Amino acid sequence: GQNIDQPTEMTATEGAIVQINCTYQTSGFNGLFWYQQHAGEAPTFLSYNVLDGLEEKGRFSSFLSRSKGYSYLLLKELQMKDSASYLCAVRDSNYQLIWGAGTKLIIKP
Amino acid sequence: GAVVSQHPSWVICKSGTSVKIECRSLDFQATTMFWYRQFPKQSLMLMATSNEGSKATYEQGVEKDKFLINHASLTLSTLTVTSAHPEDSSFYICSAGSQELEQYFGPGTRLTVT
Repeated sequence: GQNIDQPTEMTATEGAIVQINCTYQTSGFNGLFWYQQHAGEAPTFLSYNVLDGLEEKGRFSSFLSRSKGYSYLLLKELQMKDSASYLCAVRDSNYQLIWGAGTKLIIKP
Repeated sequence: GAVVSQHPSWVICKSGTSVKIECRSLDFQATTMFWYRQFPKQSLMLMATSNEGSKATYEQGVEKDKFLINHASLTLSTLTVTSAHPEDSSFYICSAGSQELEQYFGPGTRLTVT
């Protein structure tokens, strides 16, 4: 079966750095996405990786290793507004998105 | 990025009635739209994939006769929850995209069935 694993919850301190990991086993691979979802709101797109390596976008970076079925989202200079759930999703060979359960990130002052 | 709208943003209805939710892609043509349901503190659950001009593809366990999907144009898909019951209360989210694009999500519709 297809599976996406990410930690259920993480806690970090304002101003610090946090890394949210995602491992996947899917039928084929056509890209990995990270989305941010604040409570009661729809997800918003953060990043897309289809080739191995690091993609940097401001305070957020996303890394992919296809051979390891592994990705991480790195958040730097954490702000209170970064408190949200972070969803990892993989697009499989049928171009269907397989979603992880999300990681709830709690930022403490 | 692309903009997807949903209407209504929230709705309260009585048990046994039907509710229609609209999803529109405002600045691009979406050949494919997706409908998700999300219960509190749970992840997104894909309900169905809606293709313009053809029948929707429903995920296993989703009743196609209860959740009617129509994708009549490249910018509009509708989800109708028929004979709604309290257990249908949830956050319904649509998204639009293609194989080349990431999915853009609508703001979601919070349905409460009393």
